[in-house]
Amino acid sequence: KAGVTQTPRYLIKTRGQQVTLSCSPISGHRSVSWYQQTPGQGLQFLFEYFSETQRNKGNFPGRFSGRQFSNSRSEMNVSTLELGDSALYLCASSYQGAHTEAFFGQGTRLTVV
Amino acid sequence: KNEVEQSPQNLTAQEGEFITINCSYSVGISALHWLQQHPGGGIVSLFMLSSGKKKHGRLIATINIQEKHSSLHITASHPRDSAVYICALGGNQFYFGTGTSLTVIP
Repeated sequence: KAGVTQTPRYLIKTRGQQVTLSCSPISGHRSVSWYQQTPGQGLQFLFEYFSETQRNKGNFPGRFSGRQFSNSRSEMNVSTLELGDSALYLCASSYQGAHTEAFFGQGTRLTVV
Repeated sequence: KNEVEQSPQNLTAQEGEFITINCSYSVGISALHWLQQHPGGGIVSLFMLSSGKKKHGRLIATINIQEKHSSLHITASHPRDSAVYICALGGNQFYFGTGTSLTVIP
């Protein structure tokens, strides 16, 4: 069974630009959640999508958005990038949510210069 | 206050030692996850627990629901076990502990 695939693995963007990250979950999984990891703040929850609907949202500004497609693949978008958005972005795939077995992708490392 | 507290934050062990990492939490849970993160970033799910004990190879995870406490044990530790181990509560989202950085010295 294929694992969770995140693309791209590495990304360098300039302040003010926007970026789109992709997460392909394990086949059959309907929940995809996104997390930001920085050395100072650790792992922080961005949002969760389940069957194409945003089910939960963390405490991030509106510049961070996401969506989920009918095949459960999810994208997150960050607009008007700031230096502080430099982080590892991880997605997790599960059948029903974090109360069920979950699998994580390798992450996308975003550097904003 | 973080809902999930892990200890110790850092741990150095000699190869072959028995290792214990502790996780305490303050809220009701549906599931508790133990995760492993190697340098380079990817997270691997080791265990998901809602009660009792699970074992996989040299890894053992236990949970005491009444005491709101879980432990991850590594028997016969090996340098390849060097990683950050993260305890996470599973509910509407993951609530992560701050992680335990383990270094196993040959």
